[in-house]
Amino acid sequence: EVQLVESGGGLVQPGGSLRLSCAASGFTFSSYWMSWVRQAPGKGLEWVANIKQDGSEKYYVDSVKGRFTISRDNAKNSLYLQMNSLRAEDTAVYYCARVAAGLYYFDYWGQGTLVTVSS
Amino acid sequence: SYVLTQPPSVSVAPGQTARITCGGNNIGSKSVHWYQQKPGQAPVLVVYDDSDRPSGIPERFSGSNSGNTATLTISRVEAGDEADYYCQVWDSSSDHHWVFGGGTKLTVL
Repeated sequence: EVQLVESGGGLVQPGGSLRLSCAASGFTFSSYWMSWVRQAPGKGLEWVANIKQDGSEKYYVDSVKGRFTISRDNAKNSLYLQMNSLRAEDTAVYYCARVAAGLYYFDYWGQGTLVTVSS
Repeated sequence: SYVLTQPPSVSVAPGQTARITCGGNNIGSKSVHWYQQKPGQAPVLVVYDDSDRPSGIPERFSGSNSGNTATLTISRVEAGDEADYYCQVWDSSSDHHWVFGGGTKLTVL
C-alpha cells in the first residue's frame, strides 16, 4: 500500500524557516517524480514544486522561487521542502504527492502538514 | 501562465447528474485530471487523462474535454459525492508548471 506521511509543520514567525519531510513507503520511491502541493485555509490547491527521480531537475511555482528548495533522499525514501524567508501568505496545509509514472497527474497524496506563518 | 476557470459551486439533487466545468484556452489540446476533496481530507484522483478512472472510482464519474471546456460528470449523485472538485493540467509552456482550477463545491440538495 502506498503511503506518504508528512511532518515538520508548525508555527513560525515571518522571515523564519521550516523544513518539511515526507516519508514514502509501499512503492519504489526512486522511480517517481515527487511534488509538494499546498492549500491555504479555505482556498484551493496550488502546486509548489516538483523533483525528478534522481533530483537532477526541480521546478517551482514563481511565488516560492529563491525561497523554497525541494530535495529528496532516495536511500531514506524521503522527500523534503526547505522553506526560508517565510511569509504570511505561505500559511497552508502542505501535501506531499506522487506523480503518476511518466504522466502528469498526482496519483497518491499524503494527509498534509499545516504551516502557519504568524507573529 | 495558463489559467483554469471553474464555477465556485454546483448544486444537484440526489439521483440527478452533476456537471462541473473547467475552462481554459484550447484546453482540449491538453490532458485534464480531476480530484475530489472532502472536508479535512487529502485530494483523491477521480478522473485522469480527460476520461479515465483510477481503480476503485465508481463508473458514475466520467470526464470529457473539447475546445475550451473540460467537464467532470457525476451520474446518479449520492450524498457522499458532496465535496470540492479540482481540475488540473500540466502547462508545458511555462517552465513545467502544474496548474489547478480554483475548485467547485458540489452540494447535494
